[in-house]
Amino acid sequence: DGGITQSPKYLFRKEGQNVTLSCEQNLNHDAMYWYRQDPGQGLRLIYYSQIVNDFQKGDIAEGYSVSREKKESFPLTVTSAQKNPTAFYLCASSIPPNTRSTEAFFGQGTRLTVV
Amino acid sequence: DQQVKQNSPSLSVQEGRISILNCDYTNSMFDYFLWYKKYPAEGPTFLISISSIKDKNEDGRFTVFLNKSAKHLSLHIVPSQPGDSAVYFCAASASNTGNQFYFGTGTSLTVIP
Repeated sequence: DGGITQSPKYLFRKEGQNVTLSCEQNLNHDAMYWYRQDPGQGLRLIYYSQIVNDFQKGDIAEGYSVSREKKESFPLTVTSAQKNPTAFYLCASSIPPNTRSTEAFFGQGTRLTVV
Repeated sequence: DQQVKQNSPSLSVQEGRISILNCDYTNSMFDYFLWYKKYPAEGPTFLISISSIKDKNEDGRFTVFLNKSAKHLSLHIVPSQPGDSAVYFCAASASNTGNQFYFGTGTSLTVIP
């Protein structure tokens, strides 16, 4: 079945450690996104990538890094520079940009807790 | 600055009645609008969308209305069912600016049996 997979579903890390969240899709989508959701807030864009080997910062990129070496994969690293890393992280993908009638498909999310 | 706004954090509706969820946006370049439904600890799932060339799109119990002059869209669910209880996000994108999706803060809908 086609879809977008995030792993793990729950992740615990000690303060000061970097952690990488996995996102894989087999939908043949060019565009991929990382969002963060905090209680009472909407989805805020961290990074997005429209094509392999290219990515752009979203609204809250500080303290995060990404790579896009393969079309199927868009891992997100939460670095020790991120001041409030505990959150629910959502990965999404969509068909190529500048195509009308496009929607984003989401993974099931990763709940990161930093202690 | 929040480009997509959902000013009602929560809404309660009796089963069988109509639910109306509202969304406002500020960027006149947005040309595609979507509604997503989200359960706790899960990813959002796509519900319905509308292009700026239309003012209404209907899919079963769900209808989205777009008022471009007011920069306002709404989602109507009728009849509402208890299984509709979830958080609903509206989102917008602009095809000439890389197709980023901008999300509202969500409205939590509770359908009372």
